[in-house]
Amino acid sequence: EPEVTQTPSHQVTQMGQEVILRCVPISNHLYFYWYRQILGQKVEFLVSFYNNEISEKSEIFDDQFSVERPDGSNFTLKIRSTKLEDSAMYFCASSAGNTGELFFGEGSRLTVL
Amino acid sequence: AQKVTQAQTEISVVEKEDVTLDCVYETRDTTYYLFWYKQPPSGELVFLIRRNSFDEQNEISGRYSWNFQKSTSSFNFTITASQVVDSAVYFCALSVSGGSYIPTFGRGTSLIVHP
Repeated sequence: EPEVTQTPSHQVTQMGQEVILRCVPISNHLYFYWYRQILGQKVEFLVSFYNNEISEKSEIFDDQFSVERPDGSNFTLKIRSTKLEDSAMYFCASSAGNTGELFFGEGSRLTVL
Repeated sequence: AQKVTQAQTEISVVEKEDVTLDCVYETRDTTYYLFWYKQPPSGELVFLIRRNSFDEQNEISGRYSWNFQKSTSSFNFTITASQVVDSAVYFCALSVSGGSYIPTFGRGTSLIVHP
């Protein structure tokens, strides 16, 4: 069964460092998303991406964040200068159509020290 | 604006008990989708079901069943004869046409099934 894969599974970084989280969406999907979940809290939408551009973003997705689809398969989330409060699980998701039926990866846990 | 409320923060049951997880949603859109996701202790989000706003038929899948009632804006999830492997956090989510169908998640209900 096709799945969304994310790397790394866990990354520890120092405050102020840049981090790139990588995702390989399901191959025939056209819509891509990043969500985050601070430990024990709700799953929050960050950004959606379609047709090589951001289609929606939340208040959380400020100038420190960026997304990119550098080739036909990868979808990345970059945090330019990490803060302690960026520590969370980051989930990538993809969907075939704009129906909200998202398929999530296993998440990348980011710990900022 | 859309909103999902899962009032039960944590539910604890003994194996083989039936358990219902509540989900109440708010939206002014007439076209929307409702979802349930499971997050086991390993952390990933597993898609369980999607329903659209025009289909109020209840659904059963093995020990899982879902009761969608537009009159009460609820989309409840029942696990029959619960098992220890059902222990997880369960999230209800809503996506609406006015929100570009981007799911908004509830806060989740942690289900603990004791042997």
